[in-house]
Amino acid sequence: ETGVTQSPTHLIKTRGQQVTLRCSSQSGHNTVSWYQQALGQGPQFIFQYYREEENGRGNFPPRFSGLQFPNYSSELNVNALELDDSALYLCASSWGGGGNQPQHFGDGTRLSIL
Amino acid sequence: QKEVEQDPGPLSVPEGAIVSLNCTYSNSAFQYFMWYRQYSRKGPELLMYTYSSGNKEDGRFTAQVDKSSKYISLFIRDSQPSDSATYLCAIASQAGTALIFGKGTTLSVSS
Repeated sequence: ETGVTQSPTHLIKTRGQQVTLRCSSQSGHNTVSWYQQALGQGPQFIFQYYREEENGRGNFPPRFSGLQFPNYSSELNVNALELDDSALYLCASSWGGGGNQPQHFGDGTRLSIL
Repeated sequence: QKEVEQDPGPLSVPEGAIVSLNCTYSNSAFQYFMWYRQYSRKGPELLMYTYSSGNKEDGRFTAQVDKSSKYISLFIRDSQPSDSATYLCAIASQAGTALIFGKGTTLSVSS
């Protein structure tokens, strides 16, 4: 069974730039959720994709957007990067949509904004 | 009031001790309760998943949910240095899509 994989592992950007992060879901899972984890904090929900559509969104501005592909992999795009966007971005996969199914996380992409 | 509260610690115990980690939550709509373990520079790893009140045991780990008090606990028996990590509680509702996480408790087990 293949786990959740994320790429890249680390990324350095400057303010105003755009970034794309990628996630491959665990085999057998059709739902991908994205979280932002600031240092010393728990993960914060960004949004969830199920059946290639956004299935719920947290308190994040529209410059955070995403996609899900037919193979259930997903991308997180962030435009107009700000210093506060520096964080660990986590992808979690699950089955069936919703938040009540067990979610399994990748090791994240660490994004640094200079 | 935050939806879920968790004491960040740090918590330091000797090897072999029993560890108790706790969270409280505010909304009775939450019915699904999870505990994750996160090692440094890694993603959270699902340890326990429970629905509604009661106990669930898996090896040295026991998860306990008291919905009347809105209180969830994770007990670790015979703690080992390899248990040193940050432990995150997470809650979810039937209707929602998000996991709501606590801030995490940092545990250090010394040999």
